[in-house]
Amino acid sequence: AQRVTQPEKLLSVFKGAPVELKCNYSYSGSPELFWYVQYSRQRLQLLLRHISRESIKGFTADLNKGETSFHLKKPFAQEEDSAMYYCALEGGGNQFYFGTGTSLTVIP
Amino acid sequence: DGGITQSPKYLFRKEGQNVTLSCEQNLNHDAMYWYRQDPGQGLRLIYYSQIVNDFQKGDIAEGYSVSREKKESFPLTVTSAQKNPTAFYLCASSPGTQPYFGPGTRLTVT
Repeated sequence: AQRVTQPEKLLSVFKGAPVELKCNYSYSGSPELFWYVQYSRQRLQLLLRHISRESIKGFTADLNKGETSFHLKKPFAQEEDSAMYYCALEGGGNQFYFGTGTSLTVIP
Repeated sequence: DGGITQSPKYLFRKEGQNVTLSCEQNLNHDAMYWYRQDPGQGLRLIYYSQIVNDFQKGDIAEGYSVSREKKESFPLTVTSAQKNPTAFYLCASSPGTQPYFGPGTRLTVT
């Protein structure tokens, strides 16, 4: 079974501080992993995917197969980063599984 | 994103009634999905469809039904058998890379 775990439901950081949103996965094969973001009153949208190795809005995420993790990081949080973040896994057959989400609040 | 529409935005039904949620996409995506979003539980997969006239159950398909008669459309019916139907429902489509989501429908059953 494919599973995605986001251990933090809520996370608060001060503006300018580093932020890390944790994601661990359980998958027997070689997964494709994603981070999605949902800003207030907006639809869920892709933030980044590990295969593209991009940095979007200053966020990066590194796939660590040994620790089965895909943590999302940003060195300096901004107020506009406050949102709900979901880690997701494509487990073959074009099926996408999502974690429970982490609500990030950036305190001014 | 604008290529995926869900209607209506809010839906109210009495307990015991079936209700159908609409999802349409004009992105020419083969795959379509239905998720249910509940606070603290994230997104849970209800049904998905890889091609027209074919669909598979997700993790929480009980009490729901779908059809995929056209590539553009993937309606979800919430039946009276669904024990806790009040939720936010998200439809998505994918060209095979990642899902693109619609704006969602909030269903309230009283």
